[in-house]
Amino acid sequence: NAGVTQTPKFRVLKTGQSMTLLCAQDMNHEYMYWYRQDPGMGLRLIHYSVGEGTTAKGEVPDGYNVSRLKKQNFLLGLESAAPSQTSVYFCATLMGGGNEQFFGPGTRLTVL
Amino acid sequence: EDQVTQSPEALRLQEGESSSLNCSYTVSGLRGLFWYRQDPGKGPEFLFTLYSAGEEKEKERLKATLTKKESFLHITAPKPEDSATYLCAASDTGFQKLVFGTGTRLLVSP
Repeated sequence: NAGVTQTPKFRVLKTGQSMTLLCAQDMNHEYMYWYRQDPGMGLRLIHYSVGEGTTAKGEVPDGYNVSRLKKQNFLLGLESAAPSQTSVYFCATLMGGGNEQFFGPGTRLTVL
Repeated sequence: EDQVTQSPEALRLQEGESSSLNCSYTVSGLRGLFWYRQDPGKGPEFLFTLYSAGEEKEKERLKATLTKKESFLHITAPKPEDSATYLCAASDTGFQKLVFGTGTRLLVSP
């Protein structure tokens, strides 16, 4: 079992470019989350999903969109990247009724 | 607004020197207090969940405790492999929308 995987691992964008980060899980977990981690700020929740076809806003959703068309995948999109979106992005999953979020290895994104 | 504050920001210990990390929280209707460990370049790894004041959980050299306003992560006789950043998080909803603190960076020297 791969657990939680994130694609890509690293990416450099220019301001205004768009991209999609993919989170995939093989644990059949209902809940999925996207966080960003910045120095001195800690992990902050961007968007989350409580099941296939559902999404909801977290603490810092502006500038991001998400989709969960399949239970095993959670996509995070940046339509027009800004330097303020330079960060490390983590995906996490949670089994319904569980208490342990499983985190992926992260995607390091730099926006120039 | 829910808030989680961790102290100290960084802690340097000698191998075998016990200490505690602090996590204070302001969350209305706490549903769970979580501790995670994060190694450099990796995602956080779950350690403990605490649900109510007075609860304690242990795992090897780590012990987490919870009061109505704070949680402590006690590290007994630490080893160099315990070096990592320890993250505290709280949730007030059933969907486990976590609010994280900024972490304590622990370095244990041999």
